[in-house]
Amino acid sequence: DAGVIQSPRHEVTEMGQEVTLRCKPISGHDYLFWYRQTMMRGLELLIYFNNNVPIDDSGMPEDRFSAKMPNASFSTLKIQPSEPRDSAVYFCASSGTANQPQHFGDGTRLSIL
Amino acid sequence: GQSLEQPSEVTAVEGAIVQINCTYQTSGFYGLSWYQQHDGGAPTFLSYNALDGLEETGRFSSFLSRSDSYGYLLLQELQMKDSASYFCAVNQGGKLIFGQGTELSVKP
Repeated sequence: DAGVIQSPRHEVTEMGQEVTLRCKPISGHDYLFWYRQTMMRGLELLIYFNNNVPIDDSGMPEDRFSAKMPNASFSTLKIQPSEPRDSAVYFCASSGTANQPQHFGDGTRLSIL
Repeated sequence: GQSLEQPSEVTAVEGAIVQINCTYQTSGFYGLSWYQQHDGGAPTFLSYNALDGLEETGRFSSFLSRSDSYGYLLLQELQMKDSASYFCAVNQGGKLIFGQGTELSVKP
């Protein structure tokens, strides 16, 4: 079975540029999560969706970050404009129900120069 | 506020048993999960406790005491491949709040 698929795997760009991260959850999963991982802050939940609807975006750091889920098989996390402090690994995860295990994608390693 | 506490590092030898503790303080609680993450990899699910007691999955077991806001992950018959970071995470009805992680080093 295909797991959670994220793209790109690596992204290096200059500050001020728009960055778009993509995620395809596991088919049939109703929940989708975006996380950010850094050495300093650990693994932080940014936003999560249930049935394509954003449920909790309290972890989104600021207005430069936005996330969408136009359908059950696709989500994007956008940063505009990007800043060096946004450099991190961004993970997408999905789960079937609220209490089932979350399955993580391989992550996008983002470097903002 | 919300907080999870777990040791930052643990070292053990191959074949030994190690216990990683986690204490939590959260406003909502549905259960405690454990995830493993190897360097450069994605977190992978290990275990989940919704109720008090012990859950066993092969060499790994996890325990929860809701009254003490405490849980632990027990790894038995340690192998070199168990060297990784281990995260406890509180489930708040879908939303996971992760601890800072415990880096386990298994020595020969």
